Parts: sequence; C-alpha cells; structure tokens
Amino acid sequence: QKEVEQNSGPLSVPEGAIASLNCTYSDRGSQSFFWYRQYSGKSPELIMSIYSNGDKEDGRFTAQLNKASQYVSLLIRDSQPSDSATYLCAVLTSNSGYALNFGKGTSLLVTP
Amino acid sequence: DTAVSQTPKYLVTQMGNDKSIKCEQNLGHDTMYWYKQDSKKFLKIMFSYNNKELIINETVPNRFSPKSPDKAHLNLHINSLELGDSAVYFCASSQAPRGWETQYFGPGTRLLVL
Repeated sequence: QKEVEQNSGPLSVPEGAIASLNCTYSDRGSQSFFWYRQYSGKSPELIMSIYSNGDKEDGRFTAQLNKASQYVSLLIRDSQPSDSATYLCAVLTSNSGYALNFGKGTSLLVTP
Repeated sequence: DTAVSQTPKYLVTQMGNDKSIKCEQNLGHDTMYWYKQDSKKFLKIMFSYNNKELIINETVPNRFSPKSPDKAHLNLHINSLELGDSAVYFCASSQAPRGWETQYFGPGTRLLVL
C-alpha cells in the first residue's frame, strides 16, 4: 500500500506559538489531501482539505501542498491548549476507490 | 441530530464469538466506509459501499462481512472473533466516492476481545 508518513511526535509547543505538522506521501497519483484532528477517545474530525499546490487558510489553520515534493503540511497559528490532539494526514487517490489513506498521526501538545 | 451513529459504543466479548456492529447515517450520503484503528492508533480502510454496492474490499479476513441493507446503513458482522480483532471500528460516510468529498466519521465502536 502507498505510504503516508508523519512524525509521531509528540510535538510540544508553548501556547501562542505556531505549530507545524508535516506529512509526505508516496503515490504521485494522489489527488486530495486532508488533515483530521482526533482527540483521545474520539473520532477523527476534518479540519482542512487541500487539492491544489499552494496555501489554503482557514482561521488559525493553514494547509500547504507541494505535489512536486509530495509534501503537505499544516500550520496552526496562536496555538491553544485545546489544540492538543493527534493530527492525522490523509490522502485520497482514485485507484484506492476513494478511501482515505491515513498517516499514523502526529501528537501535538500545547503547553500553557 | 447525530450525523453518523454507531451501535454499540463498547463491545467486550470472548474469543470465538460472533458479533455485529451497526452504522447509520442521516446525511443522505451515498457512500459509507468501515475503518479500523488499531492499538497504535493507525487508521486503515476495511470496506466501502456506494449505494449498497461494495466498491472497496481491502485485505481483510473472511470473518469480516459487511452488509448494506440500504444506503443509510452499513453493518459489520465479525465471525469467530480473535484477540487481534480488538480495536476501534469507525464508520464514515461521504456524499459520493469522489476525490473532493469530505468523509464524516461516526463515534467509533471499541471492541475488546478477551
């Protein structure tokens, strides 16, 4: 199966700082890219999607995609303790029947 | 107003038993999925149905059998449960199996096989 790689962390940042989460993928046919947030004991919740190269901003979140480098990232500005969670990078390709291929997630801890 | 619901939330059972997990979505979506999240939190697709038809069947033991009685429901039946089946099983749905459709996840069913 095509790989989606993330650093497992934990990534620790102080409150108010920028958290930077990274993801690489191996399938050049990947079309759509998603960031899900998962709190402990809860289900994944979509926070950002991105389909074309460049940046996409939504509030404190910015997703960045570089298809040539097969790299997608998520920046969280003004990090809050409530942002502490596991962030899952997910990639979707047409030859996967449109099922999401997830990375193993990066654990983020925002310290007050 | 729960969008994707699953029952039961918790399931504790003995090895060798047969059990079912049910999923329902009230979003009017055509496509539903089963994902498994193991103890290391790795989330992996198992099955996908579009309009009651199976479109994805990943390498999953035959003991797992999905059934979709209608496009709002996707159930998962597991025969002869094994210790390694212990995991959290998430149901998800999307409008259609298209690349830009958001998948919405249910709350998960935590299965523990003793």
